[in-house]
Amino acid sequence: GAGVSQSPSNKVTEKGKDVELRCDPISGHTALYWYRQRLGQGLEFLIYFQGNSAPDKSGLPSDRFSAERTGESVSTLTIQRTQQEDSAVYLCASSLEGGQVEQYFGPGTRLTVT
Amino acid sequence: QKEVEQDPGPLSVPEGAIVSLNCTYSNSAFQYFMWYRQYSRKGPELLMYTYSSGNKEDGRFTAQVDKSSKYISLFIRDSQPSDSATYLCAMKKPGNTPLVFGKGTRLSVIA
Repeated sequence: GAGVSQSPSNKVTEKGKDVELRCDPISGHTALYWYRQRLGQGLEFLIYFQGNSAPDKSGLPSDRFSAERTGESVSTLTIQRTQQEDSAVYLCASSLEGGQVEQYFGPGTRLTVT
Repeated sequence: QKEVEQDPGPLSVPEGAIVSLNCTYSNSAFQYFMWYRQYSRKGPELLMYTYSSGNKEDGRFTAQVDKSSKYISLFIRDSQPSDSATYLCAMKKPGNTPLVFGKGTRLSVIA
């Protein structure tokens, strides 16, 4: 079946602009996660959705970052007033239920802020 | 001190060599230990995971966890050029908790 998909695959934006990143999880997966991977760094957890609710937003780095999920399916991560330090690969993962070890990752969105 | 430490490498080995990849961690609450493989410009894929201590084998791959030393390893036997990738260790506490990743080790297997 189809895996996790993310769009766009690449995004170049000017400092100060807002960006929206999209994630389509595997159908039927109730849990969805966003991670950030900076160059030479491991993945940093950003936010976790169970259904359409976000019980854990502890990884969001600032109030410029927000995310939502609708229809227990697609999720969007929005970064307002982008800064150069926001440049990274943003990865989305989904799992059948929350708390499971097996998380399936999308290919990521490579964001470059100039 | 970061919760999970992993030497980023790069590590370069000849085809057929045995590869040893390692991570250390500081939080004794971690109970699940995972290894992900990430090819360039792709998302990570789960190779294998272990619950608590012990060994787990899957084909050419063996994962080991030593909770007393807070040290985990991944061994790759008979390494192949197709194993060239970044290997990320990850750990998790029980319940609805996030994965905590190491920085990843970049491996190149030379034919």
